[in-house]
Amino acid sequence: EIVLTQSPGTLSLSPGERATLSCRASQSVSSNYLAWYQQRPGQAPRLLIYGASSRATGTPDRFSGSGSGTDFTLTISRLEPEDFAVYYCQQYGDSPPITFGQGTRLEIK
Amino acid sequence: EVQLVQSGAEVKKPGESLKISCMASGYIFTTHWIGWVRQMPGKGLEWMGIIYPGDSDTRYSPSFQGQVIISVDKSISTAYLQWSSLKASDTAMYYCARPSRSWYRDDAFDFWGQGTMVTVSS
Repeated sequence: EIVLTQSPGTLSLSPGERATLSCRASQSVSSNYLAWYQQRPGQAPRLLIYGASSRATGTPDRFSGSGSGTDFTLTISRLEPEDFAVYYCQQYGDSPPITFGQGTRLEIK
Repeated sequence: EVQLVQSGAEVKKPGESLKISCMASGYIFTTHWIGWVRQMPGKGLEWMGIIYPGDSDTRYSPSFQGQVIISVDKSISTAYLQWSSLKASDTAMYYCARPSRSWYRDDAFDFWGQGTMVTVSS
């Protein structure tokens, strides 16, 4: 089972700033099958990025994904108020089971 | 429009059985696997398992194998998650979700249900 470790646990930033979230895998993620989700309070997760770097339908272009192998990054270029939420990475290249990271909470500074 | 609509919140006692549902619409049900994800209060996401409605092929996470049963009724485009004997530790929000590509089991989830909150308490 691939273990995903996200860092930092909590990130405190202000609107307009740049956010960089990390996801590290315990072994290489096959075919870079790595996704990122956003979860706002009281809502279901929403797919942002798949295949490490492809934006899902409706994902604003201020969100970008990068990385390969075991190290992946989600970058939000300029934070909007609605971006403050919890973000999860997920690997789907080695299944079962598909695994998620423990999440990064992005909070307003 | 693709939609996954889940059954309502449940409050149960330890030892009771439960079956929750996820009704799909807006696409051909038998072309996509359907997965289940657990989120315990204040915690992260856990992949429980996944089923292919076409032939009921089912895969479970080792953490949930033997603890739950995933099933489907393709005649009504509905997937199910069931427990035979609930425990307090089953208290969580449960989401169904659809992989984005047709026929792909291992894929990112592009559509999610609204979640079903299950509370198990004596």
